[in-house]
Amino acid sequence: DAGVTQSPTHLIKTRGQQVTLRCSPKSGHDTVSWYQQALGQGPQFIFQYYEEEERQRGNFPDRFSGHQFPNYSSELNVNALLLGDSALYLCASSIGAVNTEAFFGQGTRLTVV
Amino acid sequence: AQSVTQLDSQVPVFEEAPVELRCNYSSSVSVYLFWYVQYPNQGLQLLLKYLSGSTLVKGINGFEAEFNKSQTSFHLRKPSVHISDTAEYFCAVTAPSGGYQKVTFGTGTKLQVIP
Repeated sequence: DAGVTQSPTHLIKTRGQQVTLRCSPKSGHDTVSWYQQALGQGPQFIFQYYEEEERQRGNFPDRFSGHQFPNYSSELNVNALLLGDSALYLCASSIGAVNTEAFFGQGTRLTVV
Repeated sequence: AQSVTQLDSQVPVFEEAPVELRCNYSSSVSVYLFWYVQYPNQGLQLLLKYLSGSTLVKGINGFEAEFNKSQTSFHLRKPSVHISDTAEYFCAVTAPSGGYQKVTFGTGTKLQVIP
């Protein structure tokens, strides 16, 4: 079982650019949630996808968008990157929309310069 | 709305000594509670969870936590720590409603085990 896989592991982008991060959930999981973890902080919930629709959203601007595919994998898109978007982006997968146990990937470290 | 407070940002403890990492939560409804561990440059690993039932929850690596509804706490304990327990620990809460939910994390506690 490969667990939750995220790509790429590291990424450097320039302010104003756009970025796409990818996540493959653990086998058998159908729900994907995305989190932003700034340096020295706890993860902050961005949004959750279930049945290819955004079900819950945290306090993030519309520059943050996502998608879930029929195979349950997911993408996180961030437009018009700001320096403050530099963080570790974590993907978590679970079974069903009620998270009784979420499995996390290793994360994508995004640096905006 | 729900929130989590981890009172200690860093906890140094000698190897083989006991440790308690404190977590308090706020929610107007019933909650699920979790403790996760994060090793450097890695994702989060679930240590234990409280969904319902017994208030004393046992997890992996010898950790346990006790849910106290009256004090809205979910403190994590280990009777004897090892060097390998050095990591950052996050308490998290979720309040399922409407069939969908988000998980709210605390700011984390760095556990430093001293040889």
